[in-house]
Amino acid sequence: AQSVTQPDIHITVSEGASLELRCNYSYGATPYLFWYVQSPGQGLQLLLKYFSGDTLVQGIKGFEAEFKRSQSSFNLRKPSVHWSDAAEYFCAVGETSYDKVIFGPGTSLSVIP
Amino acid sequence: DAGITQSPRHKVTETGTPVTLRCHQTENHRYMYWYRQDPGHGLRLIHYSYGVKDTDKGEVSDGYSVSRSKTEDFLLTLESATSSQTSVYFCAISDGLETQYFGPGTRLLVL
Repeated sequence: AQSVTQPDIHITVSEGASLELRCNYSYGATPYLFWYVQSPGQGLQLLLKYFSGDTLVQGIKGFEAEFKRSQSSFNLRKPSVHWSDAAEYFCAVGETSYDKVIFGPGTSLSVIP
Repeated sequence: DAGITQSPRHKVTETGTPVTLRCHQTENHRYMYWYRQDPGHGLRLIHYSYGVKDTDKGEVSDGYSVSRSKTEDFLLTLESATSSQTSVYFCAISDGLETQYFGPGTRLLVL
């Protein structure tokens, strides 16, 4: 069965520092991978997705993620965090872009001025 | 932003009462989904629909039913609400080519 783990429940970084959020998945084939962000009281917004091709994908708001098949990982990165990046981040895996998508438990990001 | 609305946005109800949540889209997308969000669990799929009158169960479907009589509307019903169904409910849509787009959510409290 598909599963997604996000090892870090909560991360605190200083504004301007780099960020890496970890995501590991369990799936038999090459999955469709997503990162979503949820600001307090809001719905989820897609940051980026990986379906195939270049394993380094660029998303919105300056985020990028790298698919590493050997490590079953899809970590999210940003070189310089802004205070507005404070939110909950969810990694997700699906068999297709529209099929049932399994979400990780989320990582809460706090940004210190 | 994708045209998705959810109603009501907030609801307080009592144990044992029926509750219906509505998801409405203006995008004419084929696929619609209902998720619940609980701390430590992320989002979990309740039910989904791949067309009018075509629905299927997700991973946490017990105690929930759905209906889709029109492309634009997807209803989630709690036949007899329980306290364990207190949650935030999100609707999502997809055209099958891109990923899912989420609505603003409904906060449900079952007393």
